[in-house]
Formats: sequence, C-alpha cells, structure tokens
Amino acid sequence: AQKVTQAQTEISVVEKEDVTLDCVYETRDTTYYLFWYKQPPSGELVFLIRRNSFDEQNEISGRYSWNFQKSTSSFNFTITASQVVDSAVYFCALSEAASNNNDMRFGAGTRLTVKP
Amino acid sequence: DGGITQSPKYLFRKEGQNVTLSCEQNLNHDAMYWYRQDPGQGLRLIYYSQIVNDFQKGDIAEGYSVSREKKESFPLTVTSAQKNPTAFYLCASSTRPSRAYEQYFGPGTRLTVT
Repeated sequence: AQKVTQAQTEISVVEKEDVTLDCVYETRDTTYYLFWYKQPPSGELVFLIRRNSFDEQNEISGRYSWNFQKSTSSFNFTITASQVVDSAVYFCALSEAASNNNDMRFGAGTRLTVKP
Repeated sequence: DGGITQSPKYLFRKEGQNVTLSCEQNLNHDAMYWYRQDPGQGLRLIYYSQIVNDFQKGDIAEGYSVSREKKESFPLTVTSAQKNPTAFYLCASSTRPSRAYEQYFGPGTRLTVT
C-alpha cells in the first residue's frame, strides 16, 4: 500500500532562514508520481510541483527547490530565504500508476510558520 | 478566470439533516474529486468521478453520496448516516482521470454539524 510520511508536524523559523520539509514515501510500484501542495490559511490547496518516478533530477523554482532521491524514498522541499508569506501547511502526496483507486495519498502535512 | 468554486464557505447543520455541498469548475477538466480534511490530518478521498454519469468510492465513502450529471458540477451530499460529518471539505479537479496529473482545488467548505 502506498504511504506518505511527513514526520515534521510543525516548523517555526525566522524570516530569511532556509527550511527543509521532509517527505518519505512507500510504494511497491515502479511508476509513481510525487506532488507538493501548499495550503495557506485561506484553505485552498495550491499545486507546487509534480515529479514522476523516472525523473530524479532536482528542481529549482525561485526560492523553492526539491530533492528527489529514490534510494531513500524521499522527496524533500527546501525554501531558501523564507518569507512570512511562506507560512502555510505543506502537503506531500503520492499516486501510483498501478493503483486501483484513482486517488492521491497525502501526508499529514507540515505546518510552517515564518516569523518576521 | 478559470477555477473551482465551492459554496458556501461555511455551513452549519443540525444533526440528522442531509446537506449538499456545491462544487463547480470551468476548467473543462474531466476528473473531479471530493476530499475530507480533519485537523492535523492529510486529505482523505471520499469520491471521485472520471467522466459524466460515472463515479467511484474513495476510502471513506460511507455516509456520503455524489452525482455527476454535468461535466462542470460534482455535488456532495453528506447524509445523516455519516457519523462524524464536521470537517473541512475540498473539491478538486484534474485535466484527465489519470494519476499522473496534478489536481486543482477549490477554496473548501467548512461544515459544522451540531
């Protein structure tokens, strides 16, 4: 069964600090997809990134970067020079190509608070 | 602007009453989903629909029902059979009914049943 673990329940940093959110997943499938979403206080989930299991290249988008390592089944998310607007709950999610259910498995989320 | 709308933002009901949550999208997406979010937890799938007039149960479908009569609309009914209906409900859609595609979410409806 697929599973996503976000061990960090809450993280608090001071503005301009770098912060890494951890995501560890479990799957038996060789083809799968990993996602990160941001949920600001308004409640709506915002899509950040998608990665397929055959693409281990790390990605950088502005202050955001993602480190995908199949050897450790991890897909970590780093925010560089954090800002107050980064305060939100961040979810990592996994979907398997061979799953009977057309669903996405979410981790429990990490609440990030960036203090000024 | 294209997007997903959910109404209302907050909903209050008495125990024993059925209530229907609205979800509309104008993104021309084929697939639509309903999730439930409880405090401190991730999202759990209630129902999903890949095409009009077809829908499938997710992990926690008991006490819920849906319909998909139009591509744009996927309403969720929380019935009196749902033992613990108070939660935040999120509707989502994706371009195609494939696990490879990201889902886009609406603003959610917070349901309180007393």
